Amino acid sequence: AQSVTQLGSHVSVSEGALVLLRCNYSSSVPPYLFWYVQYPNQGLQLLLKYTSAATLVKGINGFEAEFKKSETSFHLTKPSAHMSDAAEYFCAVSATGAQKLVFGQGTRLTINP
Amino acid sequence: KAGVTQTPRYLIKTRGQQVTLSCSPISGHRSVSWYQQTPGQGLQFLFEYFSETQRNKGNFPGRFSGRQFSNSRSEMNVSTLELGDSALYLCASSLSEWLSYNEQFFGPGTRLTVL
Repeated sequence: AQSVTQLGSHVSVSEGALVLLRCNYSSSVPPYLFWYVQYPNQGLQLLLKYTSAATLVKGINGFEAEFKKSETSFHLTKPSAHMSDAAEYFCAVSATGAQKLVFGQGTRLTINP
Repeated sequence: KAGVTQTPRYLIKTRGQQVTLSCSPISGHRSVSWYQQTPGQGLQFLFEYFSETQRNKGNFPGRFSGRQFSNSRSEMNVSTLELGDSALYLCASSLSEWLSYNEQFFGPGTRLTVL
C-alpha cells in the first residue's frame, strides 16, 4: 500500500524567496512520485515526476524535486517564488503499472509581495 | 491536441436524486480514471477504466458507478445522492495500458453540489 504525507497544509513565502514544499511517502514497492499543481477552479497539472531514473527531477515553471530513498522524501523546491506560483500543490504516489494515484492532503502556497 | 473535457462543469442536485457525469479523454488515450476532491477528504481515487473494463476501484459505496464506451469516453453515476457527495469530480486520462509511469492528464472537473 502507498501513502503520502505533505507537511504543512499552508506555506507562505515572499516573492523572490525559496519555495520548499515537503512530501514524504510510504510504499511497499518502488514508487513513482509526482507533484501536481491546482489553480482555483481548475484541474490538476503535472509539475514533475520521478520514475526511477535521475533522483533530481526538473519540472515546469522552474520547480524541481529530489527523490531521497533513505528519507522516503520527495520535496518540491523553487529557488525564487513568483506571484503566479500561488496555488495548491499535491504530492502523489503510485505503484508500477497501476493507474491509481494516491494523493497527499495538499499544500496551499501563498506568495507575499 | 484537445485536453480532457468534462461535462457539465457545474451541477446542482437535491438529496436522493441521481447524477451522471461525463468525461472525454485525450484522443488516443484508453485509460480513464475518476477522482473525488473534497475539503475534508482531499483527493480520493474512485475507479479506473481501460478498454471498457473497470480495472481498479477505490473504497467508495456501490452508489458510485461508472462505465467506459468503445470510444474511450467515460461516465460516472452517483445514485441516491447524499449531502456528502458534494465535491469536485475529476477525470484523468492516460495513454498506455501498463505504462512505466502513470502520467495522467486531468480535466477541469465537474463541481457537484447536493442540496
